[in-house]
Amino acid sequence: EVQLVESGGALVQPGGSLRLSCVASGFTFSNYWMSWVRQAPGKGLEWVANIKEDGSAEHYVDSAKGRFTISRDNAKNSLYLQMDSLRAEDTAVYYCGREWPIDYWGQGTLVTVSS
Amino acid sequence: DIQMTQSPSSLSASVGDRVTITCRASQGIRSYLAWYQQKPGKVPNLLIYAASTLQSGVPSRFSGSGSGTDFTLTISSLQPEDVATYYCQDYSTGLRTFGQGTRVEI
Repeated sequence: EVQLVESGGALVQPGGSLRLSCVASGFTFSNYWMSWVRQAPGKGLEWVANIKEDGSAEHYVDSAKGRFTISRDNAKNSLYLQMDSLRAEDTAVYYCGREWPIDYWGQGTLVTVSS
Repeated sequence: DIQMTQSPSSLSASVGDRVTITCRASQGIRSYLAWYQQKPGKVPNLLIYAASTLQSGVPSRFSGSGSGTDFTLTISSLQPEDVATYYCQDYSTGLRTFGQGTRVEI
């Protein structure tokens, strides 16, 4: 059974940093692109970033460029999202997903940016 | 960057109605279009990929069509369990843009 489990969400002050993790199981992680998608409270889905199977390519939504970094460790079946210079508008539930398109989603982890 | 525009933003229909949601891409994306369903309080679920291919386990009342810039999601006979928000997503490039969503109510 495919499972994706996110962790690392927390309450953080504006300007702070946070690292999200997503542990995958039930499939060959190194064979798939992976994505992060977020959803602000009461809002729609927003794709944030993705990374190629071997980590050799990454893409970001404009609002994340220069602040967020996606990475992966295929030996640990893990996906990461390093988020720096966080803003109030980054407050959201963050989902990791197996691509493409996203056929499996994690349950999400809540990031709240507030003073 | 490619923009995805869905219409309508919301709709209300009766059980058994045929429901159609459209998604327009700002430039051609061939058939690299997916549709997701998100029920209230739940994680999104992939319904259709490659514009018209039904994901395994998805009821056959759901169908997708289109290519290039104009796409459609159709629910042939709306059921109470179909109350949800539906999103289209382009995956023709490295960026994976979602539409803004269409809320379906009964």
